[in-house]
Amino acid sequence: QKEVEQNSGPLSVPEGAIASLNCTYSDRVSQSFFWYRQYSGKSPELIMSIYSNGDKEDGRFTAQLNKASQYVSLLIRDSQPSDSATYLCAVRINDYKLSFGAGTTVTVRA
Amino acid sequence: GAGVSQSPSNKVTEKGKDVELRCDPISGHTALYWYRQSLGQGLEFLIYFQGNSAPDKSGLPSDRFSAERTGGSVSTLTIQRTQQEDSAVYLCASSQLTGTLVEQYFGPGTRLTVT
Repeated sequence: QKEVEQNSGPLSVPEGAIASLNCTYSDRVSQSFFWYRQYSGKSPELIMSIYSNGDKEDGRFTAQLNKASQYVSLLIRDSQPSDSATYLCAVRINDYKLSFGAGTTVTVRA
Repeated sequence: GAGVSQSPSNKVTEKGKDVELRCDPISGHTALYWYRQSLGQGLEFLIYFQGNSAPDKSGLPSDRFSAERTGGSVSTLTIQRTQQEDSAVYLCASSQLTGTLVEQYFGPGTRLTVT
């Protein structure tokens, strides 16, 4: 079983809609969780961090964490074409190391 | 402030040659990571440095790969006798190891092409 699993997509949403991305992880003791955005040909950019159960909002992004069910999700509200990218979920697995999912590709249709 | 910087941004080399890739982390970040991302693939952990501690080299794919970090700052990843399968984007990230989050910030990467 992979440590971090994401649906590869592509996830296609119309402009203005909500994009919902999901990520599950296998290590129950994981404490910190991250979402990175990666545009084609660019490096990953950290967009959200979360470590407490519940929701964390930052602008149009909301991260949701449920440790009991071992999943973390990312909602993108009012999706824009500029949100078209691959979104990587990362889970902290020890004092210093992150395990990354393979990424979900999102396409926002104008 | 300045982010993680990497050089060169692109490197084309012939099979069998050695290459050196450089990473300059964010000032004050004590942790430094190297990753590899092949075309259409996920991030592959290569090596981790933290201060004067022994590095975690568990992700290095072969003994042709080595890395060092001088003075707790700049790091160099060296690939000897390059092979075509080494072609990938090599990403460096840095982090402060304080608190719970341990956020990693990535540099722009070096795209290595072995011909």
